[in-house]
Amino acid sequence: GNSVTQMEGPVTLSEEAFLTINCTYTATGYPSLFWYVQYPGEGLQLLLKATKADDKGSNKGFEATYRKETTSFHLEKGSVQVSDSAVYFCALWMDSSYKLIFGSGTRLLVRP
Amino acid sequence: DVKVTQSSRYLVKRTGEKVFLECVQDMDHENMFWYRQDPGLGLRLIYFSYDVKMKEKGDIPEGYSVSREKKERFSLILESASTNQTSMYLCASSPMTGGAKNYGYTFGSGTRLTVV
Repeated sequence: GNSVTQMEGPVTLSEEAFLTINCTYTATGYPSLFWYVQYPGEGLQLLLKATKADDKGSNKGFEATYRKETTSFHLEKGSVQVSDSAVYFCALWMDSSYKLIFGSGTRLLVRP
Repeated sequence: DVKVTQSSRYLVKRTGEKVFLECVQDMDHENMFWYRQDPGLGLRLIYFSYDVKMKEKGDIPEGYSVSREKKERFSLILESASTNQTSMYLCASSPMTGGAKNYGYTFGSGTRLTVV
């Protein structure tokens, strides 16, 4: 079936470090892919998306490229800030499915 | 700014009580969803609705019911609250046209429910 696998956290970085959070997916067909962010005590917010292969989603300095050949959608940011500390969820949507399928989430902690 | 509003951020209820969690969206979305989020278990879909008065079971519907009498409002009901229903509850919505494929879901801020 369709699924999303994220790297386990927590990921701990110093401010201004480079961030990569890995996300790979399994899907029969061509899903849409999303990254959501959840700040402490809050709901999930859409961070970025890509709806077809080779699309790059970007927002707030974060980027992710939809790689069909490696079935991946890794999240990157060149220089993280303390305010980026949150839980990040990768998700996919298939037309054959009735719901967004979420990864387990990766907690990011950025230290000053 | 488009919004999904959950009526309470924090709730404390007693075992056996009937509990209502309310969710309202102002985006004229057809689809609405209820999830619960627990440490180590991620997001789990409880119920969803594609239209007024329509409801579908998600992955963990046991102990819950829902009501959608108006398009903008989707209520989650715990018929007899139990301690294992202590959790963070998240409501979400998406449009039917293009739907989640193009827009994903819009989430509310969540309700943290504690059953004592």
